[in-house]
Amino acid sequence: QTVVTQEPSFSVSPGGTVTLTCGLSSGSVSTNYYPSWYQQTPGQAPRTLIYSTNTRSSGVPDRFSGSILGNKAALTITGAQADDESDYYCVLYMGSGIVVFGGGTKLTVL
Amino acid sequence: QVQLVESGGGVVQPGGSLRLSCAASGFTFSSYGMHWVRQAPGKGLEWVAFIRFDGSNKYSADSVKGRFTISRDNSKNTLYLQMDSLRAEDTAVYYCAKSNYVPNYWGQGTLVTVSS
Repeated sequence: QTVVTQEPSFSVSPGGTVTLTCGLSSGSVSTNYYPSWYQQTPGQAPRTLIYSTNTRSSGVPDRFSGSILGNKAALTITGAQADDESDYYCVLYMGSGIVVFGGGTKLTVL
Repeated sequence: QVQLVESGGGVVQPGGSLRLSCAASGFTFSSYGMHWVRQAPGKGLEWVAFIRFDGSNKYSADSVKGRFTISRDNSKNTLYLQMDSLRAEDTAVYYCAKSNYVPNYWGQGTLVTVSS
């Protein structure tokens, strides 16, 4: 059973930088997993921020960036703003159309 | 622009059935795989099922295997999820999503409530 791990919660000060991570219970995340990141606020559908490790979706501000850091995928928010306060989910592609979501990170901006 | 509109949600009794639909527009539907993803109240996202662009292969999560069936009609640009033997734990908002290996564009979701 593959488990994708994320920090349950994180806080950042306005204007600060925060890095959220996405790991595997067993093994390392690589670009072959096409790691992607979503932002979700209550009552709304997820919004794709980053796909294929580091490609920003159309309309996503460049303060959001994706990368591989060590053995994990990472989402970095530089210059955090109040409306970045959301839930963030990562997902990994396991092959044959199967994907696994992380449990999500609740980001607080204060 | 890509648009995905889910429908068919509602309240159903345990053991009942429901069929969800997802109407797609703004892209060549027949060229892309599609996912269903759900989110139980207050919980995270859970992948449910995937179907290849031509319907030739389908995959589903263990939690729904044997009960849910994903299908598509490329002539109608529509994705379906047939849900049988529904359980209380299937209560969730169900999203359809266009695939780029992983979900990329998302619909707004449709709520399914399984309750007696």
